[in-house]
Amino acid sequence: KAGVTQTPRYLIKTRGQQVTLSCSPISGHRSVSWYQQTPGQGLQFLFEYFSETQRNKGNFPGRFSGRQFSNSRSEMNVSTLELGDSALYLCASSLATGSNTGELFFGEGSRLTVL
Amino acid sequence: AQSVTQLDSQVPVFEEAPVELRCNYSSSVSVYLFWYVQYPNQGLQLLLKYLSGSTLVKGINGFEAEFNKSQTSFHLRKPSVHISDTAEYFCAVRPSGSARQLTFGSGTQLTVLP
Repeated sequence: KAGVTQTPRYLIKTRGQQVTLSCSPISGHRSVSWYQQTPGQGLQFLFEYFSETQRNKGNFPGRFSGRQFSNSRSEMNVSTLELGDSALYLCASSLATGSNTGELFFGEGSRLTVL
Repeated sequence: AQSVTQLDSQVPVFEEAPVELRCNYSSSVSVYLFWYVQYPNQGLQLLLKYLSGSTLVKGINGFEAEFNKSQTSFHLRKPSVHISDTAEYFCAVRPSGSARQLTFGSGTQLTVLP
């Protein structure tokens, strides 16, 4: 069974640009969450999507947005990039059924560098 | 809201020695507890989880953790470490309801020395 796939793995952007990151969850998983990992702030929750609806959102500015498609694949977008947005962005998928304890399975991440 | 404190940012230990990585949490609601491991340039891999029941939880790669509700702790242990255990370890919590948002600790870098 394929794991969580994130693309691209590495990318470099300049300040003011925007970026879109993609995440394909494990087959059958309907929930996708995104996390930002930086040396200074650690791992921080961005948002969770379930059945194409944002279910939960972390404390990030509106420049950070996401969406989920009918096949459960998800994208996140960061507009007007700032130097501080340089980070590893991790996607995680989960079965998210009523009786499921919601274990998260993480992808390898997309490493964004903003110059 | 929940918070997680990992008391040691770096833990060096010699190969075949035992190790304990400490984790304390704070929450006003009941929580599930997790330990994840991250190898360089990789994502997070689940080591073990506590959901309910027995407070001693066994995970992959010989790791185990003990949930102590009175001390709000969830320390990770391994009786004999290997060079390959060198990695960063994260403790995490989430509410035991339907929300799946994880709150992570700041991580502990475990370095196993030959």
